[in-house]
Amino acid sequence: AQSVAQPEDQVNVAEGNPLTVKCTYSVSGNPYLFWYVQYPNRGLQFLLKYITGDNLVKGSYGFEAEFNKSQTSFHLKKPSALVSDSALYFCAVRERSQGNLIFGKGTKLSVKP
Amino acid sequence: DAGVIQSPRHEVTEMGQEVTLRCKPISGHDYLFWYRQTMMRGLELLIYFNNNVPIDDSGMPEDRFSAKMPNASFSTLKIQPSEPRDSAVYFCASSIQGKYEQYFGPGTRLTVT
Repeated sequence: AQSVAQPEDQVNVAEGNPLTVKCTYSVSGNPYLFWYVQYPNRGLQFLLKYITGDNLVKGSYGFEAEFNKSQTSFHLKKPSALVSDSALYFCAVRERSQGNLIFGKGTKLSVKP
Repeated sequence: DAGVIQSPRHEVTEMGQEVTLRCKPISGHDYLFWYRQTMMRGLELLIYFNNNVPIDDSGMPEDRFSAKMPNASFSTLKIQPSEPRDSAVYFCASSIQGKYEQYFGPGTRLTVT
């Protein structure tokens, strides 16, 4: 069965420092992987995706993620955090033969000035 | 593009009443998804459609829930009768074949008293 794990409920980072939000997955075959961000009282907003090709994927707002097949991970990263990056981040996976996404439970990112 | 449109944004109703949530997907998108988000259970897929046809409704909690997609630009999620445990934020999302990522609406916050 497909599953996504985000091991940290919350990540705290100082503004200007690098940030990492972790995600591991379990799915048969080669997955499609996604990151979404949710600001308070808003819908989920697509950040980036891995479909195929280069393992390092760049997305919106300076975020990037690295696909690691051997570790079944897809960690979200940003070199320098902003206070405005504070939000809830969701990792999602999709089997290539399926149409639906499976979401992790989310990680709350808090960036302090 | 207007994005995914959901109505109403907020709904407060009494237990036992019928509730209808509405969604207009992004024009040209052929997949439509209904999700429910709660603090306890996170983001759950309820049902999804492809070309107006329900593909997977295994996430629909019980017979009180039903969803329809009469045409490519409109879908409804109905709860009858509603119960307090249905209180949640309900999201609609759409995507297009070959693009993989889903685009979410702003959500409907449902409160059942």
